Amino acid sequence: GQNIDQPTEMTATEGAIVQINCTYQTSGFNGLFWYQQHAGEAPTFLSYNVLDGLEEKGRFSSFLSRSKGYSYLLLKELQMKDSASYLCAVMDSNYQLIWGAGTKLIIKP
Amino acid sequence: IAGITQAPTSQILAAGRRMTLRCTQDMRHNAMYWYRQDLGLGLRLIHYSNTAGTTGKGEVPDGYSVSRANTDDFPLTLASAVPSQTSVYFCASSFKDSQGVGEQFFGPGTRLTVL
Repeated sequence: GQNIDQPTEMTATEGAIVQINCTYQTSGFNGLFWYQQHAGEAPTFLSYNVLDGLEEKGRFSSFLSRSKGYSYLLLKELQMKDSASYLCAVMDSNYQLIWGAGTKLIIKP
Repeated sequence: IAGITQAPTSQILAAGRRMTLRCTQDMRHNAMYWYRQDLGLGLRLIHYSNTAGTTGKGEVPDGYSVSRANTDDFPLTLASAVPSQTSVYFCASSFKDSQGVGEQFFGPGTRLTVL
């Protein structure tokens, strides 16, 4: 079957760094997406990785290892507005997204 | 219209009633999707359309139908609502390139309660 695993909840301190992990087992792989979703709102796109390595975009970076079926989202210089759920999704062989349940990130002052 | 819109924002529906959730995008995206999001579960694909005039079944299609008469609109119909269809429904769209890949843009969601 297809499976995306990520921690249910994480807590971090304002100004710190946090790493949210995602492991996957899917039928085929055509890239991995990270989305941010604030409570009561729609998911919004953060990053896309299809090749191994690190993609940096401002305070956010995303890493992919296809051989390990593993990705992480790194958030630096945390701000209170980063409190949200972070969704990991893998594009499978049918070019459809398989979604993890999301990681709720709580930022404390 | 800017982006992707959904209507209604929320709805309470009696079991057995028919309901259509509306979705419109103005980005000229070729692909559109309907997801449901339930607490503790990831987004689950209900139906999708890769281009106007075609539709496909996702992971949880039973009890739902869709149509894609034109590029912009992708309504989702519940023929006879049941309580297990209580959920938040998100419509999304993307431009799928020749590789089949494209980031998805989401509408604001419809919160549906079936009693």
